Amino acid sequence: QKEVEQNSGPLSVPEGAIASLNCTYSDRGSQSFFWYRQYSGKSPELIMSIYSNGDKEDGRFTAQLNKASQYVSLLIRDSQPSDSATYLCAVLFSGGYNKLIFGAGTRLAVHP
Amino acid sequence: ETGVTQTPRHLVMGMTNKKSLKCEQHLGHNAMYWYKQSAKKPLELMFVYNFKEQTENNSVPSRFSPECPNSSHLFLHLHTLQPEDSALYLCASSEATTGVGGSPLHFGNGTRLTVT
Repeated sequence: QKEVEQNSGPLSVPEGAIASLNCTYSDRGSQSFFWYRQYSGKSPELIMSIYSNGDKEDGRFTAQLNKASQYVSLLIRDSQPSDSATYLCAVLFSGGYNKLIFGAGTRLAVHP
Repeated sequence: ETGVTQTPRHLVMGMTNKKSLKCEQHLGHNAMYWYKQSAKKPLELMFVYNFKEQTENNSVPSRFSPECPNSSHLFLHLHTLQPEDSALYLCASSEATTGVGGSPLHFGNGTRLTVT
């Protein structure tokens, strides 16, 4: 079983729609979760962090966490072409220091 | 200068060469990381250093040798690499924490390595 799983996509949505990105993880003891965005040829940049069950909103982005289901998601409202990128889910695994494990990423394409 | 700086940006080396990648962070962090990013693969954690001490070696071959002389600098020494080691090598830094409230990573721009 992969440690952090994401659908590779591409996920194609029209401009203005809601994009929904999903991630599951294997370590039941994990407590910290992050979403990064990576444009082609660039390094990852942090979008959101979430530590508690439920929703966390920041502008057009909402992160959702369900630890019982070992599931974390990212919603992007009013998607823009500039949101087209690969979105990486990252999970801080328990039992070690700063062991942040990434999923393979979901490629999002927002078309006008 | 702020953030995480990696040099060189691009590196081409033969399998018998020895080279080093350098990373410097100006964020006051005390944890530093090396990740490898190959095409169509997840970011692979290689090494983690907390307060200059190595706390994670993710089964990395010995042809990759990290060095962390202080909390601001991290090196990756390379020798007798293989063509399959060609990838983007990313350095990152964060606060050294565990568990709840783990600190997010700040990445450098990476070194694009090609082994011929």
